[in-house]
Amino acid sequence: SSVLTQPPSVSVAPGKTARITCGGNNIGSENVHWYQQKPGQAPVLVIYYNSDRPSGIPERFSGSNSGNTATLAISRVEAGDEAVYYCQVWDNSSGHWLFGGGTKLTV
Amino acid sequence: QVQLVQSGAEVKKPGASVKVSCKASGYIFTDYGFSWVRQAPGQGLEWVGWISTYNGNTNYAQRLQGRVTMTTDTSTNIAYMELRSLTSDDTAVYYCARTEWVHNYFDYWGQGSLVTVSS
Repeated sequence: SSVLTQPPSVSVAPGKTARITCGGNNIGSENVHWYQQKPGQAPVLVIYYNSDRPSGIPERFSGSNSGNTATLAISRVEAGDEAVYYCQVWDNSSGHWLFGGGTKLTV
Repeated sequence: QVQLVQSGAEVKKPGASVKVSCKASGYIFTDYGFSWVRQAPGQGLEWVGWISTYNGNTNYAQRLQGRVTMTTDTSTNIAYMELRSLTSDDTAVYYCARTEWVHNYFDYWGQGSLVTVSS
């Protein structure tokens, strides 16, 4: 992948499931990581290696990756989940780290 | 517990240089590399570069190559990022991030250092 494409915004009602996508050419062959950033704060890792959760991240956060799309899913969404979410990969072709443009989740 | 504490905000004039520091604690410094990521006002995250704390190898974003230098001091557990020939486009919050080397993700982040370039 040399470009990661995320929708600029996603809206979801409280208690529902939010799905945020990250598109890239054959991204399914790469390891995708996800970060949550709230206003005025540093990013926080919420999913690594496509679907693993760091300690302290609720089970409501899950990830999947296949084909040309990786997805971050947040079930039973809460007001506190409102943030910008970024996907990230190590781009083998350039030898650099790469971020998606970010998706603002509105609850 | 892992902590990354960065230096404070800086205001620089165009053409000047800035050096931001990131002090690590709570783990073995040389077990992880460091990346630097910046975020311009209202914009997304941009990877700036990476340094190995083990051997000092570096990997810089192409658009900043030639203007950025990353170093580490293993005696004090501090990582540094210096950016030269600053322009207003370099105005951003600069984050250091501990970098896991197997799957290449950023598991801990500093609090960020705002660099403002203004005449």
